[in-house]
Amino acid sequence: DAGVIQSPRHEVTEMGQEVTLRCKPISGHNSLFWYRQTMMRGLELLIYFNNNVPIDDSGMPEDRFSAKMPNASFSTLKIQPSEPRDSAVYFCASSLGQGQINQPQHFGDGTRLSIL
Amino acid sequence: AQSVTQPDIHITVSEGASLELRCNYSYGATPYLFWYVQSPGQGLQLLLKYFSGDTLVQGIKGFEAEFKRSQSSFNLRKPSVHWSDAAEYFCAVGPYGGSQGNLIFGKGTKLSVKP
Repeated sequence: DAGVIQSPRHEVTEMGQEVTLRCKPISGHNSLFWYRQTMMRGLELLIYFNNNVPIDDSGMPEDRFSAKMPNASFSTLKIQPSEPRDSAVYFCASSLGQGQINQPQHFGDGTRLSIL
Repeated sequence: AQSVTQPDIHITVSEGASLELRCNYSYGATPYLFWYVQSPGQGLQLLLKYFSGDTLVQGIKGFEAEFKRSQSSFNLRKPSVHWSDAAEYFCAVGPYGGSQGNLIFGKGTKLSVKP
């Protein structure tokens, strides 16, 4: 079975550029989560979707960040304009059902983002 | 405040030795508890979870964890560590009846294995 697929695996870009991270959840999973991982702050939930609808975006750092889920098999996380402090590993995860606590998340391998 | 604490940032054990990784939580309601493992360059993989019932739960890769309500702990154990267990381990807690979106992750414990 294919797991959660994220692209690109690595992204290096200059400050001010737009960055788009992509995620394909596991087929049949109705919930999708975006995380950011840094050494300083650990793993932070940015936003999650149920049935393509954003449920909680309180973790999105600021207006420069936006996320969409146009259909059940695709989501994007966009940063515009990017800043060096956005450098991190970004993970996408998906789970069955409506994201209930008893449905564990399955993580992708992440996108390592470096903003110069 | 709800929180998860993994007191050990980095642990080194010899291959074949036993392992215990600590996790303490502060949670007002009945918790759901998880352990995840992250190998270098990869995402988190679920090792085991505890919802209710037997307080000793078995997971994949020979890991187990014990829920101790009186100590607010959910420590991860393995009787004999293999070199391939070198990774970072994350404990997470969430609310009974709640959402995965409410999950709180610890800061992680990095495990190194000596030959």
